[in-house]
Amino acid sequence: ETGVTQTPRHLVMGMTNKKSLKCEQHLGHNAMYWYKQSAKKPLELMFVYSLEERVENNSVPSRFSPECPNSSHLFLHLHTLQPEDSALYLCASSRYHTGAYEQYFGPGTRLTVT
Amino acid sequence: AQKVTQAQTEISVVEKEDVTLDCVYETRDTTYYLFWYKQPPSGELVFLIRRNSFDEQNEISGRYSWNFQKSTSSFNFTITASQVVDSAVYFCALSEGMDSNYQLIWGAGTKLIIKP
Repeated sequence: ETGVTQTPRHLVMGMTNKKSLKCEQHLGHNAMYWYKQSAKKPLELMFVYSLEERVENNSVPSRFSPECPNSSHLFLHLHTLQPEDSALYLCASSRYHTGAYEQYFGPGTRLTVT
Repeated sequence: AQKVTQAQTEISVVEKEDVTLDCVYETRDTTYYLFWYKQPPSGELVFLIRRNSFDEQNEISGRYSWNFQKSTSSFNFTITASQVVDSAVYFCALSEGMDSNYQLIWGAGTKLIIKP
């Protein structure tokens, strides 16, 4: 596979469930990102990992827990979510975590919290 | 403060018309980068172009062209002879320099509808 892949593409979960989103990049990049995209809102950066170390956590509630076991994989662990967490969750990667490099995105996971 | 404004929320044109998407940015830095991304209905954001602040040359790629003007802090995107497949939400974004704590600042996006 090439580019950035995300699984699952769609997820419906109850407020008491625990689930994980997975992202994998095949581009040899060193930085990976989680974004949240809600309807009528700008893209929100959630977490940034650079060389497997978290470098950014934008005041994200603790019910979202990221994990980056290596530079190719990124997970977002979800637990006790709220209905307002329903959104499209996008993973991205870039060569390095600096402003000079473009980010490449996966297709996203459409999350619905019931 | 950094800011990216895409004033056009939605644009609708008939196929084969030319269309320009506006992007105005604010930054105090002299080194910065501007980007355009396309988000088709499938959801995936597709990178289109990156431009650094020291390169004001306009860029053309097929039917796509970009006009970067520092004097007006604008980085506009034109699609010539639009096609239905161009229908998508287009985002402009800004990042400043090489700061390790940088974040991409995103515009709100412009929804482009190309009617057959």
